[in-house]
Amino acid sequence: EAQVTQNPRYLITVTGKKLTVTCSQNMNHEYMSWYRQDPGLGLRQIYYSMNVEVTDKGDVPEGYKVSRKEKRNFPLILESPSPNQTSLYFCASSLSLAGGGEQYFGPGTRLTVT
Amino acid sequence: GENVEQHPSTLSVQEGDSAVIKCTYSDSASNYFPWYKQELGKGPQLIIDIRSNVGEKKDQRIAVTLNKTAKHFSLHITETQPEDSAVYFCAANLPGGATNKLIFGTGTLLAVQP
Repeated sequence: EAQVTQNPRYLITVTGKKLTVTCSQNMNHEYMSWYRQDPGLGLRQIYYSMNVEVTDKGDVPEGYKVSRKEKRNFPLILESPSPNQTSLYFCASSLSLAGGGEQYFGPGTRLTVT
Repeated sequence: GENVEQHPSTLSVQEGDSAVIKCTYSDSASNYFPWYKQELGKGPQLIIDIRSNVGEKKDQRIAVTLNKTAKHFSLHITETQPEDSAVYFCAANLPGGATNKLIFGTGTLLAVQP
C-alpha cells in the first residue's frame, strides 16, 4: 500500500530534550515536506526537500532541522524543543516537482512540549 | 509572497443541503489550486484540484470553480452527507522555480447535521 508513515504518533516531552520525528514514504517520491498545523493558522511549511541531500527552509523553519540521506526518509529534528513547538506535525511527499501535484500526507504526530 | 484566505472558518449544514467554502489568493501567477479534506485523527487528503486553464471541475458531488480575474476559487459540495464532516483546506501553489510548494488556507470545519 502506497503510504507516508510517521513515528511516533504522539509525543510528550520537556523543554530542551532533543527529539526526532521520523517520516518514510514508499512511493519513490522525490519531493518531501514537513508542515505544522495550529488552530486558526492552517498548515505551514517547515522544511522541504526536492531530492536526496537537497533541503531548504519553508515558512517557519526556526528551531527545526531536517536531513535527507535516503530518498524514502525525511526525519524532523528538534534539537532543543520549546513549548511554542507544541503542535500537530505532518510529513508529506509528492511525485511532481513543478506546477503542482498531489501531496500525500502522513497521519500526523501530535507533539506536546512542557 | 502568496497569501491564501479561506472562509468561513466553521460551517454547519443539514444533511442533503449544499456547502460552499471560498478562498482568495494574492499572487496572480498561481496556477494550481487543490482542496484537501482532513478527517479527525488523519492527515489531509486531496479531494479535487483545478488548474488555471480551467474555470470549473466536477467530481460527483464535489465541484471547484475558479475566477482568475477576481483571484478566488470555491469548493461546492452538494447533497451533503454526515461523512462529509471534516476540516477542508484550500491551497494555491507558489509559482516559479522547481518547487512544489503550496500555501494553505486556514481551514474550514464542516459539520453536516443528520
